[in-house]
Amino acid sequence: GQNIDQPTEMTATEGAIVQINCTYQTSGFNGLFWYQQHAGEAPTFLSYNVLDGLEEKGRFSSFLSRSKGYSYLLLKELQMKDSASYLCAVTNAGNMLTFGGGTRLMVKP
Amino acid sequence: DTEVTQTPKHLVMGMTNKKSLKCEQHMGHRAMYWYKQKAKKPPELMFVYSYEKLSINESVPSRFSPECPNSSLLNLHLHALQPEDSALYLCASSQGPGGSGYTFGSGTRLTVV
Repeated sequence: GQNIDQPTEMTATEGAIVQINCTYQTSGFNGLFWYQQHAGEAPTFLSYNVLDGLEEKGRFSSFLSRSKGYSYLLLKELQMKDSASYLCAVTNAGNMLTFGGGTRLMVKP
Repeated sequence: DTEVTQTPKHLVMGMTNKKSLKCEQHMGHRAMYWYKQKAKKPPELMFVYSYEKLSINESVPSRFSPECPNSSLLNLHLHALQPEDSALYLCASSQGPGGSGYTFGSGTRLTVV
């Protein structure tokens, strides 16, 4: 089975940096995704890590350590529109995507 | 075309109705998925089709019936649903093992009355 944990809620200030952590336990790990989801909308792809290290894409970066079963999503220069849920998801060799509970991020002025 | 298209976007149906949700992709992806998402919860996997064959059914009630007519289309037939089945139904597709290119559609917001 798979177990994916991330904080339920986080609050940060506009212009700041926030790090959302995700820990996982899984069999047959084959990659980790981060998605952004605004209320009532579908998840939007942010990043995909399959090897250890940092992937940077504009204001968003994602880090993976497979030996520690750990990932984080780093958001820089926060904007009000970044208020959303951030979903960590792990895929196994069978290509099943399993989601963590999601982290609701509130960005305040 | 790098999208997964779902129709309809919104659906209201009675408990005795029969309706279908449709999903289409033209990215050549060989795996397609149905997820169900309740409010403030993460998406939960319902079905996986790999090369047009049902490979995973996550113990979904028989009132939900998936169908994959061809490699680009995925349907979800609904019959005798319950109010608790009201949710956002998401379709996704991927290239294959490894999860690369995992893409979600915009979803169908289903309300059962």
